[in-house]
Amino acid sequence: QVPLVQSGAEMKKPGASVKVSCKASGYTFTSYGITWVRQAPGRGLEWMGWISTKDNNTNFAQRLQGRLTMTTDTSTSTGYMELRSLRSDDTAVYYCARINDFLSGFPLDHWGQGTLVTVSS
Amino acid sequence: QSALTQPASVSGSPGQSITISCAGARDDTGVSNRVSWYQQHPGKAPKVMVYEGDRRPSGVSNRFSGTKSGSTASLTISGLQAEDEADYYCCSYAGGNTWVFGGGTKVTVL
Repeated sequence: QVPLVQSGAEMKKPGASVKVSCKASGYTFTSYGITWVRQAPGRGLEWMGWISTKDNNTNFAQRLQGRLTMTTDTSTSTGYMELRSLRSDDTAVYYCARINDFLSGFPLDHWGQGTLVTVSS
Repeated sequence: QSALTQPASVSGSPGQSITISCAGARDDTGVSNRVSWYQQHPGKAPKVMVYEGDRRPSGVSNRFSGTKSGSTASLTISGLQAEDEADYYCCSYAGGNTWVFGGGTKVTVL
């Protein structure tokens, strides 16, 4: 098993920031990248960004550039996603997923359970 | 990177086969080898069903199969079962450490 366990639900006011954690276990953390995906209520999956667990290089979806930060802590095998200047349309379930860099298609082969972030005044 | 285009819904009776298409599944090499498919039941995290266009992870039923042709990928579910009722998403690695998802297809078992 390769569980990815995420932090709990968050409720935030517009303009605030949220930081979600994703703790990995059961594999060598630095051998696989991490990506974050979100899903607004009743909507599809939206790719947010990628982080290398080897060197913390990142790449983000253009629409989230400037508001999104991703980091990792290799000592605890944990990835973090921080989204700033929250708006109501950031209300979504946020997922972390492991990228299988060893397969040609780079599939997202294991997912966290999701973290609901609600943005409301 | 443009989004991938999937039909909004597909339905079938138990035992039948259905196919979900994913148009625009072309990476920077011009082929659809980097497409993966995900199944998502309500309230659950997605699960990878097919990767590299046509390969299945261990533990995934062989009723699920992927094909690829040019810039279109497809997922076929044969011998449709009630438990297959879920949302399905295609996803393509678009190069430069970016990924793009299709809009999702709701599969209904009649």
